[in-house]
Amino acid sequence: GIQVEQSPPDLILQEGANSTLRCNFSDSVNNLQWFHQNPWGQLINLFYIPSGTKQNGRLSATTVATERYSLLYISSSQTTDSGVYFCAVERGHFGNEKLTFGTGTRLTIIP
Amino acid sequence: KAGVTQTPRYLIKTRGQQVTLSCSPISGHRSVSWYQQTPGQGLQFLFEYFSETQRNKGNFPGRFSGRQFSNSRSEMNVSTLELGDSALYLCASSAWSGSKETQYFGPGTRLLVL
Repeated sequence: GIQVEQSPPDLILQEGANSTLRCNFSDSVNNLQWFHQNPWGQLINLFYIPSGTKQNGRLSATTVATERYSLLYISSSQTTDSGVYFCAVERGHFGNEKLTFGTGTRLTIIP
Repeated sequence: KAGVTQTPRYLIKTRGQQVTLSCSPISGHRSVSWYQQTPGQGLQFLFEYFSETQRNKGNFPGRFSGRQFSNSRSEMNVSTLELGDSALYLCASSAWSGSKETQYFGPGTRLLVL
């Protein structure tokens, strides 16, 4: 199956710092999503971004589909940004396959 | 719209027992997927249901099964529980907008097998 690798595995930053999280995938995909899992386990959808660039407030994401990677940028980090960030991809069309998740990046923001 | 709901939120069982978890998708969503999250294996896809039919299945033993009802609510069942089944079980419902499918996850059910 498709392989999804995320880096770095852990990131500890001071409040106000910026960060870049990376997701590499081994095959072409038609669906790529970034999720944030909060300390209570809830997965929140951040971006649907199989290609291109999107921005939502302090967060933005870029996927370069031809080079099989995606980046998630977090600017001016806040303590509420802490948690685990997952990249998930889907290779098939119209639900033939479901999401394959990376191993995540654990982000800790220190006040 | 209300989000995806899962019941129960926490569950403790013993080896050999069976368990049933429930998921109610967002109103109007017809696809429900189940995932298992463990520290060792991460997030893994279990199965997906659409219009009461299993459409996709991950690589899990037959002890894991599911179904979907006509109102799109879904249940998953694990029989003959093993210690390794201890995990967070997440349900997601999804909606299509053109060619874009977005998953929305519920809060999960934490299962502990003793």
